[in-house]
Amino acid sequence: EPEVTQTPSHQVTQMGQEVILRCVPISNHLYFYWYRQILGQKVEFLVSFYNNEISEKSEIFDDQFSVERPDGSNFTLKIRSTKLEDSAMYFCASSDARADTQYFGPGTRLTVL
Amino acid sequence: AQTVTQSQPEMSVQEAETVTLSCTYDTSESDYYLFWYKQPPSRQMILVIRQEAYKQQNATENRFSVNFQKAAKSFSLKISDSQLGDAAMYFCGRPQGGSEKLVFGKGTKLTVNP
Repeated sequence: EPEVTQTPSHQVTQMGQEVILRCVPISNHLYFYWYRQILGQKVEFLVSFYNNEISEKSEIFDDQFSVERPDGSNFTLKIRSTKLEDSAMYFCASSDARADTQYFGPGTRLTVL
Repeated sequence: AQTVTQSQPEMSVQEAETVTLSCTYDTSESDYYLFWYKQPPSRQMILVIRQEAYKQQNATENRFSVNFQKAAKSFSLKISDSQLGDAAMYFCGRPQGGSEKLVFGKGTKLTVNP
């Protein structure tokens, strides 16, 4: 069964450093998403991406964040200058239609020291 | 902002027994869908079940079923014949109206006792 994959599973970085989180969505899906979950809290939407552009973003997704689909398979989230409060689990998801079920990857745990 | 409420922070059930997790939501729409995701200790988000609001029949997936009460805006998850592997956080949610953004409740931690 096709699944969303994410790398790395755990990333440790120093405050102020740039990180890139990588995702490979399900191959025939057209809509891509990033969510995050701070430990012990609920999952929060960051951004959605369709047709090579951001379709929606939350107030969390400020200028420090960017997304890209550099090729036909990868979908990346970049945090330009990490802060301590960026420490969280980051989930990538994809769906094949706008109102269709979103399938989540296993997540990347980001730890900012 | 539209909200999703899970009023039970924690629940426990004996192995092989049945448990029901509660969820309520608000909406002004008539056409939408609802879902339950499971998050085991590995923290991966796994889709458990999805319900279309226009369908009167409650969705079922093996041991998992929902009790969808559209007028009451209630969407509970019933787990029958609970197994140790069902132990996880369960999140109820729905897309925010007119958006692709999924909105989740705060979750219910389910413990399954042997």
